[in-house]
Amino acid sequence: DTAVSQTPKYLVTQMGNDKSIKCEQNLGHDTMYWYKQDSKKFLKIMFSYNNKELIINETVPNRFSPKSPDKAHLNLHINSLELGDSAVYFCASSQGINNEQFFGPGTRLTVL
Amino acid sequence: QKEVEQDPGPLSVPEGAIVSLNCTYSNSAFQYFMWYRQYSRKGPELLMYTYSSGNKEDGRFTAQVDKSSKYISLFIRDSQPSDSATYLCAMISSSGSARQLTFGSGTQLTVLP
Repeated sequence: DTAVSQTPKYLVTQMGNDKSIKCEQNLGHDTMYWYKQDSKKFLKIMFSYNNKELIINETVPNRFSPKSPDKAHLNLHINSLELGDSAVYFCASSQGINNEQFFGPGTRLTVL
Repeated sequence: QKEVEQDPGPLSVPEGAIVSLNCTYSNSAFQYFMWYRQYSRKGPELLMYTYSSGNKEDGRFTAQVDKSSKYISLFIRDSQPSDSATYLCAMISSSGSARQLTFGSGTQLTVLP
């Protein structure tokens, strides 16, 4: 009965490749997020979707493209991966924007 | 200057100690304040949520907000080894059409048995 799940948990790939990370929540929430956590544990928001509509799009390279096929899913596609993309990516969801965000277990991306 | 500054630690205390974790912020539009706990290789989980100045208590945890000084704290009483984790403060602004959660950089806490 995982609330927010992400796949894969670990992703190791070469520079220049394209990869996707999937996120699903079964909490019935209307808002989903992608965060990047760097090696110093700093969590920074990348994107937020509310009812499948993009509401937050922070300054991230346009190699990163989120896709929300429905309210329960928010996937992250990354083109032309670079070394600096190595980080842990967290998906989260909430009911509305001011309420508690529930985080997934994270996807540890390593770009070689 | 970052919008949210957090004492980076790391912090190491003996079991049973009182722990104080602190954040300051510069944006007076922040109105909702949270503390998240993150165990190693796990996602953050919410510990405390408050939106008013003053203290909020939940078991061994007390969250304190001082909006006039733009300062928030989390106190852990009778700390346990299981409290060893990274603690992240987070805030949401009340203004703007796209409110978002802004995190501090986290404080790594180790409670020694």
